[in-house]
Amino acid sequence: NAGVTQTPKFQVLKTGQSMTLQCAQDMNHEYMSWYRQDPGMGLRLIHYSVGAGITDQGEVPNGYNVSRSTTEDFPLRLLSAAPSQTSVYFCASNPNLAGGLYNEQFFGPGTRLTVL
Amino acid sequence: RKEVEQDPGPFNVPEGATVAFNCTYSNSASQSFFWYRQDCRKEPKLLMSVYSSGNEDGRFTAQLNRASQYISLLIRDSKLSDSATYLCVVWGGSQGNLIFGKGTKLSVKP
Repeated sequence: NAGVTQTPKFQVLKTGQSMTLQCAQDMNHEYMSWYRQDPGMGLRLIHYSVGAGITDQGEVPNGYNVSRSTTEDFPLRLLSAAPSQTSVYFCASNPNLAGGLYNEQFFGPGTRLTVL
Repeated sequence: RKEVEQDPGPFNVPEGATVAFNCTYSNSASQSFFWYRQDCRKEPKLLMSVYSSGNEDGRFTAQLNRASQYISLLIRDSKLSDSATYLCVVWGGSQGNLIFGKGTKLSVKP
């Protein structure tokens, strides 16, 4: 199993550009999520999905869109990049979120994004 | 109050030392607790879950005090390879997702 994969690893954008960060998992996990990590801020949840066709907002959703057309893929789209979106982005998945039990969350290797 | 708060770091300790990390959480309805480890410029990885009765995994011991809403991680006989940032993580937050602390950086020196 490849686990959780993310592309690209690094990206530089100009203000106003749009792009999509790709995320895929091959573990048949229902739950997937996107975080951003900034120095001194910790990991903050952007969007999450509890299954194909279902997405919801996290703590910091503004400026980002997501879709979940398949169990495997959960892309994150930056609509109009801003310097404040310079960050490290992690995609994660876990088997399920049900009944109070929470299984191990698996993270992708991250995408380092710089917006000029 | 932040949902999950951790000791400010960094912790600089010599090899062989015992080091303890503390964490408090604000949501008394939280149900699951974890410690994750994050190496520099890498993704977080699960170190251990924290059970109500406390649990141990080799040199690592985790404790949970629900009454005080407090979680701890004890590392005995520190190794150079233990150098990393340790994240306290709680499930059962207001959005029903994992809530991460900001992390505490540990540097183990020879």
